[in-house]
Parts: sequence; C-alpha cells; structure tokens
Amino acid sequence: QQQVKQSPQSLIVQKGGISIINCAYENTAFDYFPWYQQFPGKGPALLIAIRPDVSEKKEGRFTISFNKSAKQFSLHIMDSQPGDSATYFCAASGSGGYQKVTFGTGTKLQVIP
Amino acid sequence: NAGVMQNPRHLVRRRGQEARLRCSPMKGHSHVYWYRQLPEEGLKFMVYLQKENIIDESGMPKERFSAEFPKEGPSILRIQQVVRGDSAAYFCATRPESAGNTIYFGEGSWLTVV
Repeated sequence: QQQVKQSPQSLIVQKGGISIINCAYENTAFDYFPWYQQFPGKGPALLIAIRPDVSEKKEGRFTISFNKSAKQFSLHIMDSQPGDSATYFCAASGSGGYQKVTFGTGTKLQVIP
Repeated sequence: NAGVMQNPRHLVRRRGQEARLRCSPMKGHSHVYWYRQLPEEGLKFMVYLQKENIIDESGMPKERFSAEFPKEGPSILRIQQVVRGDSAAYFCATRPESAGNTIYFGEGSWLTVV
C-alpha cells in the first residue's frame, strides 16, 4: 500500500512537444505529491508539488494534474526542450509527525531536437 | 540541493573494507533520510533519522549497514565489510521540523567497491 507506480519507464519526445508522466498510488493517507528532476551525476531536485485539495498546479512549463478519486497524478511538460532531458521521479507522503517519502521508479526523458 | 552537503562525493573501497558516508543537513533541518540508488534505478528508502534517534530503518539491510545522526555533527551512513553489490549512489535528504513534507537532497556519494 506504500507503493507509488510510475510510467512510462522511458520517454522520447521531440523538441516542442508535450511530455507526460503518470503516477498512481494506493495509500489514501498520502496528501503531498512532489515531483523531482534528476540530471546524471546529481541529486534529485524538487520540481513542483501538489496537495489533493487542488486538481491542477502550474509552474511555467510544468503542470501537475491530480485526480483524487482515481488516485492518480501526472506531470506535463509543455514545449519540451533538450535541457529537460533528465530522470523524473514522482513521490508521495502523508503529513504530520513521521512521514516517509515514497518514490516512484523514475522516468528517463529524452527530448530530441 | 543547495545546503545539503554530502561527502565524500566519490569513494572507492576494496571488498571487506568499511565505507563512511557523511551528510550535513541544511541549517535548521533536523530530519535526515538516506536513499540508495543503483545504476539506472529508482530511489530506495533506507533509513529516516531525527537528531539522535532512528525513526524508521525499515529499508536498511539487517547486516553491515548502520546510520546515526548525533546531537552534534553530520549524519553518518556506515557500511561495514563492503561487497560489490553495495556499489551505488547514496543520497541524503533533509527537511526542517515544521515546514511540511518537502525534502531536499544532497548531491550524493558514489560508492564503488572493487
């Protein structure tokens, strides 16, 4: 019940296209859903995060869509650029007290010119 | 990632030696998480510590691995008698006491066992 399932495992998108990465969870106690971006040889960096009281959050070209009833959330990268090529991890955690952050398995995105 | 300091960044150990990885949290952060990442794989939770206490070590191998976060100084992940399968990137992430759930990662320590 602690799992976060992420797909696809890898994704190739043309420059200017839309990249979409999907995640699903089972634990209804999760109420915080961040996305992290990781470049080779670097640590994951927080990209954007959402709480279930909203269905969508947008920051620049990055948008999280959240479907509470389906227990799914997704990351959309609009106008994808070669510099977006990285591995993306979705994650989930609860709130209050001790909270372990559970990560998806990652999506390797390659944006080709 | 700014502020979470991990060292060494790269470490080479022979089989049977000990590896010590250090994590200095961002200022004001008292919660530390350690994750392991194998090549081309995801982030696997290992242990969660708060100052001087281990809160959750459910992801730690039962043998050879230990972690601490003393009152003073960095958090340390210790791997005794390393084997080739321990070769991985080890990431530390930290968060403050009262600023929600966001955790901030360091740049990682890459362990190679030869």
